[in-house]
Amino acid sequence: EVQLVESGGGLVQPGGSLRLSCAASGFIFSSYWMYWVRQVPGKGLEWVSRINSDGSTTSYADSVKGRLTISRDNAKNTLYLQMNSLRAEDTAVYFCVGGLNKWGQGTLVTVSS
Amino acid sequence: DVVMTQSPLSLPVTLGQPASISCRSSQSLVYSDGNTYLNWFQQRPGQSPRRLIYKVSDRDSGVPDRFSGSGSGTDFTLKISRVEAEDVGVYYCMQSTHWPWTFGQGTKVEIK
Repeated sequence: EVQLVESGGGLVQPGGSLRLSCAASGFIFSSYWMYWVRQVPGKGLEWVSRINSDGSTTSYADSVKGRLTISRDNAKNTLYLQMNSLRAEDTAVYFCVGGLNKWGQGTLVTVSS
Repeated sequence: DVVMTQSPLSLPVTLGQPASISCRSSQSLVYSDGNTYLNWFQQRPGQSPRRLIYKVSDRDSGVPDRFSGSGSGTDFTLKISRVEAEDVGVYYCMQSTHWPWTFGQGTKVEIK
């Protein structure tokens, strides 16, 4: 069974940092592009970042460029999102996505003082 | 960025009746390899999104054949031939031709 399990979300103050993790199982993780997508509760979906199968290529939405960093550890079947200089507008549920057809359940990040 | 515009944004439907959602992009979604990377996602209440359709009209594994996608260039449609209760949720079109990929605003399908 394919599983993507996110962790690391929580409440953080503006300007703070957080690191999200996504543990993958049930498919060949090292063969897939992986992505982070976010959704403000009750609102639409926004692509945040992507990384190719070996981690050598990454892309970011303009809204997060320079503040969020995507990475992966294929030996551990894990995807990461390092989130720095967080803003209130980063508050959202963050989904880990594999190959566009594998989605995690999401982890909520709340940026508030 | 490519803007994806869906209509309608709310779609009340009668069980067993057809439903149709339109999606238009601000520029052509034909990629340099000749493929058109237009996807449709379903998000049921309280769940993560699930992809239904990719490359305009290809159904993902396990997706009922009452769901179909069509279109070309900048104009696309998702059709549900006979709506069932489990189809309630929000449907998003999404283009994966031009980075940053972008979603439509979503269409909320509900039962009348």
